[in-house]
Amino acid sequence: AQKITQTQPGMFVQEKEAVTLDCTYDTSDPSYGLFWYKQPSSGEMIFLIYQGSYDQQNATEGRYSLNFQKARKSANLVISASQLGDSAMYFCAMREGQDSGYALNFGKGTSLLVTP
Amino acid sequence: DVKVTQSSRYLVKRTGEKVFLECVQDMDHENMFWYRQDPGLGLRLIYFSYDVKMKEKGDIPEGYSVSREKKERFSLILESASTNQTSMYLCASSKRTGGFISNQPQHFGDGTRLSIL
Repeated sequence: AQKITQTQPGMFVQEKEAVTLDCTYDTSDPSYGLFWYKQPSSGEMIFLIYQGSYDQQNATEGRYSLNFQKARKSANLVISASQLGDSAMYFCAMREGQDSGYALNFGKGTSLLVTP
Repeated sequence: DVKVTQSSRYLVKRTGEKVFLECVQDMDHENMFWYRQDPGLGLRLIYFSYDVKMKEKGDIPEGYSVSREKKERFSLILESASTNQTSMYLCASSKRTGGFISNQPQHFGDGTRLSIL
């Protein structure tokens, strides 16, 4: 069964607007971490933001914030004030358990295009 | 900054060849991972390693093997390349933590686009 679901294959947003990329997850482990990565057309995976399952506050990193709704098992990425350079694939990923040695389960990604 | 270096950005090989993809990280990370990425499928884990000479199968290990003789280097081997192994291959590493939920992200290399003809 898919552990990470990203339902939006592609999204458009106008420059300077905010955009929300959806991510839902499935786990029975009470300890888990959620990650968002950005992959520009050049191919490298860039870590954006992290949310732990016991974190009380939603994570924020600059223009990125994570709307974490634990009961709904969703971890949506919000990008405020979009820029042309935000055009990329975005992947949501989950690591179950406590140890960093466990691998990440990735969603299939959302392609974001920022238009002028 | 963490640097994960994959030996080739682009590689073309023939069916039946033995193919080596090399990955080196410079931050003394214990954990290393190999993923393949295909359009519409996201990233899928092939193998990972949490220590020298240790390896664990991921979700799609068939047709692949790995080698970790030194901490900084993790090699992916296609024993007999086939056309369905044409893909983007991504190597990643992370620092080991334990005892609490780890916020350590995985750091990725730039990827190797492998074509098997």
